[in-house]
Amino acid sequence: EAQVTQNPRYLITVTGKKLTVTCSQNMNHEYMSWYRQDPGLGLRQIYYSMNVEVTDKGDVPEGYKVSRKEKRNFPLILESPSPNQTSLYFCASSLVLLGVTEAFFGQGTRLTVV
Amino acid sequence: AQKVTQAQTEISVVEKEDVTLDCVYETRDTTYYLFWYKQPPSGELVFLIRRNSFDEQNEISGRYSWNFQKSTSSFNFTITASQVVDSAVYFCALSANAGGTSYGKLTFGQGTILTVHP
Repeated sequence: EAQVTQNPRYLITVTGKKLTVTCSQNMNHEYMSWYRQDPGLGLRQIYYSMNVEVTDKGDVPEGYKVSRKEKRNFPLILESPSPNQTSLYFCASSLVLLGVTEAFFGQGTRLTVV
Repeated sequence: AQKVTQAQTEISVVEKEDVTLDCVYETRDTTYYLFWYKQPPSGELVFLIRRNSFDEQNEISGRYSWNFQKSTSSFNFTITASQVVDSAVYFCALSANAGGTSYGKLTFGQGTILTVHP
């Protein structure tokens, strides 16, 4: 079954404690990205990756890091989380072929930073 | 730059009413894709439809229908005879070439919270 798997689904942490949210896809997609969802703002792209070892900033990259060492995995790293990073996070994997985009989303990770 | 506006923050209807969710988009690209996603209370994003900029035909899928009008840059979504299970947040999204980098990025609207009362 084609899927994007995020872990954990829920996370409560304290300010400054480094954390990683994992994302894995089994569709061999080249394009992966991270979004955060906040009330009234919709989803905004944090970082994206067009292929292994190729990553770039999205619209709201401050306070986040990513890596793409393998095609299937795209972890999101918060080196020093702050309360303003409390949000719902989605990983997405996309098939981008001849301009046609099909995005598959993970189940979401609800992060609370206290 | 790409932009998507969903002016309706919240809509409340009674079951069996028809409801239309508005979506207006901005892009300089001539080739682009428009999407609607549903986010039920459980939180996941459910894909509803994709439409490319060259296909202005309206689409109907059961109780759902979509009206795409390039002249007004709108891609509205209508639910006919709404049901309680339609209660969710609905997002409109746009994918364009973003200056030649990729169609992979989705630009989302703010979302519309739809509540259907029994």
